[in-house]
Amino acid sequence: ETGVTQTPRHLVMGMTNKKSLKCEQHLGHNAMYWYKQSAKKPLELMFVYNFKEQTENNSVPSRFSPECPNSSHLFLHLHTLQPEDSALYLCASSQLAGHMAEAFFGQGTRLTVV
Amino acid sequence: AQSVTQPDIHITVSEGASLELRCNYSYGATPYLFWYVQSPGQGLQLLLKYFSGDTLVQGIKGFEAEFKRSQSSFNLRKPSVHWSDAAEYFCAVGSYSGGGADGLTFGKGTHLIIQP
Repeated sequence: ETGVTQTPRHLVMGMTNKKSLKCEQHLGHNAMYWYKQSAKKPLELMFVYNFKEQTENNSVPSRFSPECPNSSHLFLHLHTLQPEDSALYLCASSQLAGHMAEAFFGQGTRLTVV
Repeated sequence: AQSVTQPDIHITVSEGASLELRCNYSYGATPYLFWYVQSPGQGLQLLLKYFSGDTLVQGIKGFEAEFKRSQSSFNLRKPSVHWSDAAEYFCAVGSYSGGGADGLTFGKGTHLIIQP
């Protein structure tokens, strides 16, 4: 098992669909993150969870809804997305909370909104 | 607010030549700095990190980076590149707002091309 696993690897969805991205970490970490990676833009931090509690929401539109049922699992629920939401969505985890935390990344979900 | 600048979008280096990728940061306190590498279709892998102490840090795959506070820089270097080093490289700074877990702020990345 790799450290951080994301499913699915690729997803194509229509603007009226509802789908979910899943992330699972096998590292015993306490913090989990969602990042968005778009072409020609820096990675954007979307959400941060620390011990299952959301500690940061970086002004993300409500059509993205995170869920963290336990320290090992993180979901990103998607609904009524826009074409500009097409991107690579990366999940990461870290042992410690805060700025010293070394993040371990999953391979990402390539999302295409049509 | 913290920020990271990677001034080179693309860099082309011949195999066996030396490499330096530039990174400048803006951060109000002591920075915690990272370099990650991303191969096509993959997630990000940590190459090295600087928290404190020796300003020259060694990482995996023969990479090193030097923290220079006076220049607000954290440049990545490798004495001799291999074709397998072709990838996207990201510099990042740890952000902290005094609250709970915070994520990293990334630069836009530098795409490294290796010529045979």
